[in-house]
Amino acid sequence: DIQMTQSPSSLSASVGDRVTITCRASQGISNYLAWYQQKPGKVPKLLIYAASTLQSGVPSRFSGSGSGTDFTLTISSLQPEDVATYYCQKYNSAPFTFGPGTKVDIK
Amino acid sequence: QVQLVQSGAEVKKPGASVKVSCKASGYTFTKYHMHWVRQAPGQGLEWMGIIKPSGGSTSYAQKFLGRVTMTRDTSTSTVYMELSSLRSEDTAVYYCARDGEEGDYMDVWGKGTTVTVSS
Repeated sequence: DIQMTQSPSSLSASVGDRVTITCRASQGISNYLAWYQQKPGKVPKLLIYAASTLQSGVPSRFSGSGSGTDFTLTISSLQPEDVATYYCQKYNSAPFTFGPGTKVDIK
Repeated sequence: QVQLVQSGAEVKKPGASVKVSCKASGYTFTKYHMHWVRQAPGQGLEWMGIIKPSGGSTSYAQKFLGRVTMTRDTSTSTVYMELSSLRSEDTAVYYCARDGEEGDYMDVWGKGTTVTVSS
């Protein structure tokens, strides 16, 4: 099975900072990559699918890029409401594995 | 609006089984696959499996083979996830999540069902 890794596992940044999270697949998955945001105590929320397509209603400060094995999620200007754990997920074929998550908080 | 309503919290003893339901509304039930994902306390998201409501076919994560069964009832637009031989490590929040329009990502999530396994 394809394994998903994320880095860093956690980060702390200031409001307004540009934040980048990396997701890596152990084998190529084309662009079948989604990103989710899970705020503390809440249900996960889809942010991005097809590696770079923003889900309807998601703020434009979120963006995704990558293809093959390496992907990034970028928050262009971190806001207090972005405090959450972010997960990538592969969906080229089953099993639809998630990455271990990246916890983002405010410095 | 699209909604997934899950059944209430469960407390089970080790060795027992649990069956969680997820009732869909606001869309054509048979058009979208449904995933089950769980999250143990303080841990990440773990994909358990997927069911295709149109025909009932399933695909399960290797870890749960032999212990998990996913079914659906098209008359009530409900999917079910049954997990057997429960152990303490199965204590988690269990989510159903609908497939996206363009692939097997998850665009709508239920609120989750807490399953506690304790003697």
